[in-house]
Amino acid sequence: RKEVEQDPGPFNVPEGATVAFNCTYSNSASQSFFWYRQDCRKEPKLLMSVYSSGNEDGRFTAQLNRASQYISLLIRDSKLSDSATYLCVVKGIQNNNNDMRFGAGTRLTVKP
Amino acid sequence: EAGVAQSPRYKIIEKRQSVAFWCNPISGHATLYWYQQILGQGPKLLIQFQNNGVVDDSQLPKDRFSAERLKGVDSTLKIQPAKLEDSAVYLCASSLMTGVRADTQYFGPGTRLTVL
Repeated sequence: RKEVEQDPGPFNVPEGATVAFNCTYSNSASQSFFWYRQDCRKEPKLLMSVYSSGNEDGRFTAQLNRASQYISLLIRDSKLSDSATYLCVVKGIQNNNNDMRFGAGTRLTVKP
Repeated sequence: EAGVAQSPRYKIIEKRQSVAFWCNPISGHATLYWYQQILGQGPKLLIQFQNNGVVDDSQLPKDRFSAERLKGVDSTLKIQPAKLEDSAVYLCASSLMTGVRADTQYFGPGTRLTVL
């Protein structure tokens, strides 16, 4: 199993659609999880952290399933500006709470 | 607040040459990360410093890559000698602290390296 594995994508959706991305991780002891957003030829930026109870920020909802070792990101009412690559990040992959691992990213294109 | 600074922004070299990248993290950030991002892939952590100590360098190709963070502030990443497969964007990030659940990394604009 890869350390951090994401839906390969790409996802092409119309404006207003709901889209969900999944990310699985290899170490059940990992403690911290994040979703980052990366626009084309730009640096990654934090979208949201993922907490055990799940969390929501406007149209974005992140959830954690420890039993199945995956996290998800749900985007409701997609906007053109949501077009980007979404990166799953897991901290503590190698039984070291400080190591950081990114997934390969899932590209989303929202079309008019 | 100033962000993470990196230089140069672009670099073109021939294989077997050496190259160095510089990073200045956000003031007060104890942790500094260097990532390599090859086109179409996610960032790969090369090395992570906390202050001037190395926390994780398990994915750093130590035969050709080296990094240092003297005085726990600025950092340099060096490749010597470069190979074609080193062509990538090298991203530097910093964060306020490690071991904290809500740790957030702030990235610099990156250095785009092309090896010919």
